[in-house]
Amino acid sequence: NAGVMQNPRHLVRRRGQEARLRCSPMKGHSHVYWYRQLPEEGLKFMVYLQKENIIDESGMPKERFSAEFPKEGPSILRIQQVVRGDSAAYFCASSPFSNQETQYFGPGTRLLVL
Amino acid sequence: AQKVTQAQTEISVVEKEDVTLDCVYETRDTTYYLFWYKQPPSGELVFLIRRNSFDEQNEISGRYSWNFQKSTSSFNFTITASQVVDSAVYFCGYRDEKLTFGTGTRLTIIP
Repeated sequence: NAGVMQNPRHLVRRRGQEARLRCSPMKGHSHVYWYRQLPEEGLKFMVYLQKENIIDESGMPKERFSAEFPKEGPSILRIQQVVRGDSAAYFCASSPFSNQETQYFGPGTRLLVL
Repeated sequence: AQKVTQAQTEISVVEKEDVTLDCVYETRDTTYYLFWYKQPPSGELVFLIRRNSFDEQNEISGRYSWNFQKSTSSFNFTITASQVVDSAVYFCGYRDEKLTFGTGTRLTIIP
C-alpha cells in the first residue's frame, strides 16, 4: 500500500514564476492537508481539503496561494509569482475518513526560489 | 488558540543513554488528540504515536515510551538506550480541528 506521494521532490523557480506542487493521498484517503515548513522551523498548517471542497484554508496566505483537490487526480498546491520567502518544504498529509484521524505525511517538496 | 511548546531546541546525548523530549500544550478543550512525529535527516515525517485526551495510559513501544499527564498538560517522549538512528527532529502535535505542531526538538545521538 503506497504512502502519500508528492512530486516533485525538489523544485527550483525564479522569482515571478509559478510553482505547482502535487500530492496523491494514500489509497482510500479522501482528506488532504498541506503544511509549510520554513527553514529551521516547525510545520505550519495551510489548508485542509476533501474531494472538490476546501474545508479550512485559515493557514493559507491571502494572495498568490491556492489549493484544489479535484474529483480525479492529485491535490495541487499552486503558488503564483513566487518570491524568495516562499522557499520552504511543503508537506502534504492525508487521512482516511475525517479530520479526527491520524494524518500520514508525504516526503515533502522542497521549493527553492532564486 | 491552542499552543504547543517544545522548550528543548536541541539535545545531544551519548549513544545508549536515555533521553526525554518534553512537550507542553495549552488548551481549554476537553476533547483533543496529541501526536509525536519524527523527521530524520532525510526529511520525511514519520508518525510515531497518537493519544486522545481521554486516554492517560502511558504507552511503551520498544525503546520508545510516552508519558501523558493531563494535570500538567504534558506529553513527554522518552527514548531508552538511544541509538544513532534516533538522531532526528521530533515534533509534538496537538489537534482538535487542525493539527498544530511545536517547533521541534533536534536530537543528536553521539556514537
